[in-house]
Amino acid sequence: SAVISQKPSRDICQRGTSLTIQCQVDSQVTMMFWYRQQPGQSLTLIATANQGSEATYESGFVIDKFPISRPNLTFSTLTVSNMSPEDSSIYLCSVERGYNEQFFGPGTRLTVL
Amino acid sequence: GESVGLHLPTLSVQEGDNSIINCAYSNSASDYFIWYKQESGKGPQFIIDIRSNMDKRQGQRVTVLLNKTVKHLSLQIAATQPGDSAVYFCAESYSGGGADGLTFGKGTHLIIQP
Repeated sequence: SAVISQKPSRDICQRGTSLTIQCQVDSQVTMMFWYRQQPGQSLTLIATANQGSEATYESGFVIDKFPISRPNLTFSTLTVSNMSPEDSSIYLCSVERGYNEQFFGPGTRLTVL
Repeated sequence: GESVGLHLPTLSVQEGDNSIINCAYSNSASDYFIWYKQESGKGPQFIIDIRSNMDKRQGQRVTVLLNKTVKHLSLQIAATQPGDSAVYFCAESYSGGGADGLTFGKGTHLIIQP
């Protein structure tokens, strides 16, 4: 498995502002992923982040709204830009270990007022 | 913490009984499947996985069954305990296109009755 931490664990933000979420892993990984979990829902993949290349976004998610950085093999950030109440969700990062096995961080609980 | 099971199907079983959670997956090309457990206020926790070249895999108190013909996955939990109460998600991926994220099912909220 992997030890994954996220900061902040939760936040309450005003609409129109931006929040950057950090994801730190205890060892080097090639693949990192960002997911969103809306209240009472399942998880939806936002994007895949490889070190040294642009993130790959899923349908319905765009870089202007969710810019991602991946400066090294143990760290990534996701920014939620120009937030609205519809962005209130849990945002989770995950890492891939072994063959397709993914392990998740604890999540960042975002509330937008 | 926040509940993640508000809008999800619920399965209620008596402590000590066996439980079966079902999942229908969408992509016939998917070749890797995982079950996750998510407790309130936490991220998903890996339980067990299975690859498409298998139809059954067992772990400690858990068994995953895969029926590729009908695109169905199930998770069996034996002798359920109060700590098994959580939301359970199945997830699928296809490795043929390189490293991909997971596609998650809707989830089932398992409640263990004392």
